[in-house]
Amino acid sequence: DQQVKQNSPSLSVQEGRISILNCDYTNSMFDYFLWYKKYPAEGPTFLISISSIKDKNEDGRFTVFLNKSAKHLSLHIVPSQPGDSAVYFCAATTNSGGSNYKLTFGKGTLLTVNP
Amino acid sequence: NAGVTQTPKFQVLKTGQSMTLQCAQDMNHEYMSWYRQDPGMGLRLIHYSVGAGITDQGEVPNGYNVSRSTTEDFPLRLLSAAPSQTSVYFCASSYLAGDKNIQYFGAGTRLSVL
Repeated sequence: DQQVKQNSPSLSVQEGRISILNCDYTNSMFDYFLWYKKYPAEGPTFLISISSIKDKNEDGRFTVFLNKSAKHLSLHIVPSQPGDSAVYFCAATTNSGGSNYKLTFGKGTLLTVNP
Repeated sequence: NAGVTQTPKFQVLKTGQSMTLQCAQDMNHEYMSWYRQDPGMGLRLIHYSVGAGITDQGEVPNGYNVSRSTTEDFPLRLLSAAPSQTSVYFCASSYLAGDKNIQYFGAGTRLSVL
């Protein structure tokens, strides 16, 4: 049973436009969420995170929105740049019981930003 | 800045062979983990460690052993490789700062079992 779902395997946007990547989760114990970016032949790199006590977190061009009632989060990239082309993974964990190092990942979304 | 270093980068094994995937971090992080990434499956947790001498199983531990004798190193052992273990393996390390536990990943080991 997949607890973190990224239902769009791929997304293509034009340079300068907004990219919106979506993620849904089913485990109500998850209270901390992260986005990782992965280029081919490299390990995932941390992008941005959000705690369940917040509904929005911004870092430069990247904003993550969390809707706890819908168990949904999204990553907005504005403006999108060709260098943003990568696979984006949504991950979730729970801070309770000292287990917040155990990440559950979605399957990833391949973002392609066209010049 | 070495961060998390994984060796080897590539490996081909025959069914039944054993090998150890190495992982070392130089950030003095408490937590270390091993994940595997398969096509269409995302990353799945194999084993993890919360400190030297302490390890536990993740989501897909069968066929793998780990140990953590030092803070820096967290090797993953395949005792008898099977074709189902063909995958890309990622090691990660992290530390806890408040409610944040951000994992830093190595570049991966691509393993093929024939």
